[in-house]
Amino acid sequence: ETGVTQSPTHLIKTRGQQVTLRCSSQSGHNTVSWYQQALGQGPQFIFQYYREEENGRGNFPPRFSGLQFPNYSSELNVNALELDDSALYLCASSSPGHRLTDTQYFGPGTRLTVL
Amino acid sequence: SQQGEEDPQALSIQEGENATMNCSYKTSINNLQWYRQNSGRGLVHLILIRSNEREKHSGRLRVTLDTSKKSSSLLITASRAADTASYFCATPPGGGAQKLVFGQGTRLTINP
Repeated sequence: ETGVTQSPTHLIKTRGQQVTLRCSSQSGHNTVSWYQQALGQGPQFIFQYYREEENGRGNFPPRFSGLQFPNYSSELNVNALELDDSALYLCASSSPGHRLTDTQYFGPGTRLTVL
Repeated sequence: SQQGEEDPQALSIQEGENATMNCSYKTSINNLQWYRQNSGRGLVHLILIRSNEREKHSGRLRVTLDTSKKSSSLLITASRAADTASYFCATPPGGGAQKLVFGQGTRLTINP
């Protein structure tokens, strides 16, 4: 196990609703990245937080937003949910002192279904 | 868009055989990583190979990297049923955003 936890495990929402997903990073890691993985696809980078600041963003609209807290845990918020937001959402934490991407440690993911 | 492209998309072999998966990428990299994902779960890091390395071993895994061809291969020797999973290559493409860009993965099935 990586020590990265995510909650909830599964979530069902309806179109237009808002959702918050949570991630606790591995002890000592100050960088958290979020990825979206649609069924049968590879993970797609959403954004990354380093020491509570956004440190890069993928090709996702502004209704995808995030936070990182002083303890380095993180939240992913998605507003105005669309059917295509149905996916597995993965967070990953990485080692301090390695700002260049090295090994990332993934949590088990949150499965979001939008009806 | 995907940086890495795995080949084949699916692979089915008998237990005990070797499995080889290939990955091609588009831009220059400083390292390439392989991850495993069991059905719908989180990804597990397998191995990282840096751009100045050509081959790396970890247990039954052997990874090669050819930066001139922008390609990598993952070999799993003496496969086991527990190796059944999806395998992804991932690269940090550089630039300001420190992210991993994944391919679509190879779905490996080990038949008993």
